[in-house]
Amino acid sequence: EAQVTQNPRYLITVTGKKLTVTCSQNMNHEYMSWYRQDPGLGLRQIYYSMNVEVTDKGDVPEGYKVSRKEKRNFPLILESPSPNQTSLYFCASSFVAGDTQYFGPGTRLTVL
Amino acid sequence: QKEVEQNSGPLSVPEGAIASLNCTYSDRGSQSFFWYRQYSGKSPELIMFIYSNGDKEDGRFTAQLNKASQYVSLLIRDSQPSDSATYLCAVTEGGAQKLVFGQGTRLTINP
Repeated sequence: EAQVTQNPRYLITVTGKKLTVTCSQNMNHEYMSWYRQDPGLGLRQIYYSMNVEVTDKGDVPEGYKVSRKEKRNFPLILESPSPNQTSLYFCASSFVAGDTQYFGPGTRLTVL
Repeated sequence: QKEVEQNSGPLSVPEGAIASLNCTYSDRGSQSFFWYRQYSGKSPELIMFIYSNGDKEDGRFTAQLNKASQYVSLLIRDSQPSDSATYLCAVTEGGAQKLVFGQGTRLTINP
């Protein structure tokens, strides 16, 4: 089944404790992206990747890191999480930039 | 910061009526336009995409694009209770590398 998977689905952590949210797609998509969704603010792009080893900042990259060492994986790293990073996070992928993006199930993160 | 604005909600429509969702965008260079539907607690799923000026129909859904007016809309005919969801307008920017979403419009179809 073609899909985008994210892990974990739910995470409660404390300020400053490094964490990684994994994202994987099995559709051989070149483009991958991370978004956060907050009430009243909609979906905002954090980082995106055009292909392996090619990443760039979205609209809200502060406090996040990403890497794209393999085509199928695009992990989101929070090296020192803060409470303002409490949010619902979505990973998405598309065949190429500008094409329809397919979303993962979401990761609900709470930083205490 | 380029912007995508959607008509404020929530929007309530009786079952069987036409629901009209609107979206304006600021980047004249935008090339691709998408409508996603998101049920509460779920991830966004694609309803329609449109690239060219005019109308595009898919079943009960019609997307309309007017690049001169920087306006894109979604019409839902014969609205069903299962259409109750938040609808997200999304527009590509930066040479299609970035996708910018509107804040969403919550639609409720009343039986």
